[in-house]
This record gives sequence, C-alpha cells and structure tokens, in this order.
Amino acid sequence: QPVLTQSSSASASLGSSVKLTCTLSSGHSSYIIAWHQQQPGTAPRYLMKLEGSGSYNKGSGVPDRFSGSSSGADRYLTISNLQFEDEADYYCETWDSNTRVFGGGTKVTVL
Amino acid sequence: QVQLHESGPGLVNPSGTLSLTCVVSGGSISSSKWWSWVRQPPGKGLEWIGEISQSGTTSYTPSLKSRVTVSVDKSQNQFSLKLTSVTAADTAVYYCASAGGGPLDSWGQGTLVTVSS
Repeated sequence: QPVLTQSSSASASLGSSVKLTCTLSSGHSSYIIAWHQQQPGTAPRYLMKLEGSGSYNKGSGVPDRFSGSSSGADRYLTISNLQFEDEADYYCETWDSNTRVFGGGTKVTVL
Repeated sequence: QVQLHESGPGLVNPSGTLSLTCVVSGGSISSSKWWSWVRQPPGKGLEWIGEISQSGTTSYTPSLKSRVTVSVDKSQNQFSLKLTSVTAADTAVYYCASAGGGPLDSWGQGTLVTVSS
C-alpha cells in the first residue's frame, strides 16, 4: 500500500507564503491525494483533491489563498498571504481500492 | 455535502468493546459514497480505521482488521463502528467521515473515547 511522507513542521511570517510537501512512496507516484487542514481542537477539514498533473479541485468555501501543485511523486500545498487562522496541522491522504492512508502531518506556525 | 455526527460512550473498560454511531444528515446513506472511521490518539496524527460502501462492501486497516466491524443501518440513516478487546492504546478522538469515491470530503466533529477502568 502507498506511504505518504510529510515534514513535521513549517513556519512562515504573516502575509508570506508557505509550501508544504507530501511525497508518495515508490511505485505510487501517480496517485491522487487530498489535503486536509486541522486547526487546534477541531476536526479535520477537507481542502482539496490534487492529481499528479497538478490539477486540483478545492472543497466548498476554501479560500483562494490555498493552491496545489505536483512534481513527480511530490504533491504540494501552497498557502499564500498567510493568516493567523492558517496555523494548523495539514495532512495529506491517498486511497486505492481497499485502503486509505494519511501522511504524518505538518504543523504550520505563523510567525 | 452531508453532515455527520458521532455519538457513543466516552469511557470504555479495558478488554471491552468500543461502540460508536455516526448519524448522517443532509443526504442518504444509500447514496454512492463510502462511510469511514478515522481516529487520532492524543497529540498524534490521523489513522484510518475502516469503511463501508452503500452496497455493504467493507475495508479495514490491517493492524485493526481482527477487532473492527463497520456496519450500516439504512433505516436510521447511520453507520457504526465496533472495536473489540480495547486497551489504553485505543484511547483517541474518533471521527466519522464520508467519501464520494475519492477523498474524505465531509467530517464529523469527533468524539473522545478513553479506555480506562
């Protein structure tokens, strides 16, 4: 089954941009993934589905500041014009016919 | 999008059975979706537990497969999780979620289950 690898933490200044990476394991580089945001003390929130081509579809109400891109086995989430409310844990997810997998999550701190 | 709401005991005895229910509103559980359970131990990441389709097909994570059952009650528009022989390692916030054939795109608010005597 696929494995997703994420950096444990990232930080950036208010109003700047941050780019998070989710890397698919060998043999799974074509997989579609999703990004989820989990603000402190709340349930995860679906942000977007991201294909290997870099095409992405965002969930309802997700701000334009959130975008996705891809390169090989890497899937990226970019948050532009970083706001304090973006301080959260971000998880990537992938799936196939009989399993669902999450990355370990990246904690984003807004400086 | 559907709304999901978990319910069940917040405290379970060691070696007992954890039972949770997720009520679906704003849509039918008989729709073409997958109904899933995910848990998050305190201070840790998300762990997928298992899911069921509207046709009754189930999938479970290998590490929990021998102890987990996910089922659907169409008459009540809800689905359920049963986890047997629980230990302290099963203490977590449990989320129900749904997927329309792809990623999990709707989440419940979560419910904390503590395993302790």
